[in-house]
Amino acid sequence: AQKITQTQPGMFVQEKEAVTLDCTYDTSDPSYGLFWYKQPSSGEMIFLIYQGSYDQQNATEGRYSLNFQKARKSANLVISASQLGDSAMYFCAMRGGKAAGNKLTFGGGTRVLVKP
Amino acid sequence: GAGVSQSPSNKVTEKGKDVELRCDPISGHTALYWYRQSLGQGLEFLIYFQGNSAPDKSGLPSDRFSAERTGGSVSTLTIQRTQQEDSAVYLCASSLGLTSANLEQFFGPGTRLTVL
Repeated sequence: AQKITQTQPGMFVQEKEAVTLDCTYDTSDPSYGLFWYKQPSSGEMIFLIYQGSYDQQNATEGRYSLNFQKARKSANLVISASQLGDSAMYFCAMRGGKAAGNKLTFGGGTRVLVKP
Repeated sequence: GAGVSQSPSNKVTEKGKDVELRCDPISGHTALYWYRQSLGQGLEFLIYFQGNSAPDKSGLPSDRFSAERTGGSVSTLTIQRTQQEDSAVYLCASSLGLTSANLEQFFGPGTRLTVL
């Protein structure tokens, strides 16, 4: 079974500072993908970044980067230069290989509030 | 628009009534997913359709829940004899559905179901 754990229910960050959101996962599948989604108060799920289990380098997308530590089974999201618009819920998710099906398993989320 | 659409956006029903929720995936996407998000929680997988294959129903919480996908496009999630614990936001997502594990799932705006 796949499991995603986000241990930080909520956090404050000062505008323009960086913030790290923790995510650990558990799977027996050798091939998997890790995703981060942002969910603003409006409710839509916005894809941020993806990391494949066989990727050699950490993924980066603009101000988002993923600190992938495979041996520790962690995939932390780093948001640099936080903006007020970054205030939202952030979900880590995992998609397993064929054996696990293609569904996403989500963590419980971390609520980020950016302070001016 | 070109995104995933869902209807209705809000649904209030009485306990014991049946409800139908609709999802229109992005054109050309062969994979379609239903998730449920209870208040303050992460997303919970319900069911997954891929092309003409038998759907993965492993996430459906009870036999009151069913879903179908007609013509490989529009999907309807049906909840029979609704209970108060069914109150949640029901999110639909679609993806290209190929075998690669990194394909992003595009989410619809969700249907907020309230069972009185």
